[in-house]
Amino acid sequence: DIQMTQSPSSLSASVGDRVTITCRASQSISSYLNWYQQKPGKAPKLLIYAASSLQSGVPSRFSGSGSGTDFSLTISSLQPEDFATYSCQQSHSTPWTFGQGTKVEMK
Amino acid sequence: EVQLVESGGGLVQPGGSLRLSCAASGFTFSSYWMHWVRQAPGKGLVWVSRINSDGSTTNYADSVKGRFTISRDNAKNTLYLQMNSLRAEDTAVYYCARRVSSSAPYYFDYWGQGTLVTVSS
Repeated sequence: DIQMTQSPSSLSASVGDRVTITCRASQSISSYLNWYQQKPGKAPKLLIYAASSLQSGVPSRFSGSGSGTDFSLTISSLQPEDFATYSCQQSHSTPWTFGQGTKVEMK
Repeated sequence: EVQLVESGGGLVQPGGSLRLSCAASGFTFSSYWMHWVRQAPGKGLVWVSRINSDGSTTNYADSVKGRFTISRDNAKNTLYLQMNSLRAEDTAVYYCARRVSSSAPYYFDYWGQGTLVTVSS
């Protein structure tokens, strides 16, 4: 199975901050990397697919980059509604696997 | 509007069984691969199982293989997960998710709200 490792596991930030979360795959997954946002008690929501494609309706302050084994999710200017947990997920091969999540908390 | 609504969760004793359902609406259910993903309390997301659009192909995580069975009824627009021989480590919120229909790259574009399964004596 492909292991997905996110860093950091949590971070504290303020509104307006630029935030970057990284995700590393245990083997090359090309660009088959997706990012989801999840708020407490809610289902995950797709933000970015294929490493860098913004899902329809997602604000442009979210962006993704990377290929191969190293990927990142960037929030250019953190907004109050962005405090949540972010998870990466590979769809290169079954079983699809997720990172452990990165919790973005208010400083 | 695409909607996925899970049901069937609850408290079950170790070794027991439970069947989860996911009722789909707002799209042509029979055209989509569907998945189950679970999340233990305070933990990350874990893929459980998937089924292709006509139900002829299924796959499972090693942790549930031989105990869980995914199925679907396209006439009823419903996805199922039959869970047998349940263990404490199966305790989680179970989500159904729709895989995007186009060719790769694939991702989950819609998720249900989840149903909680608690395995405890």
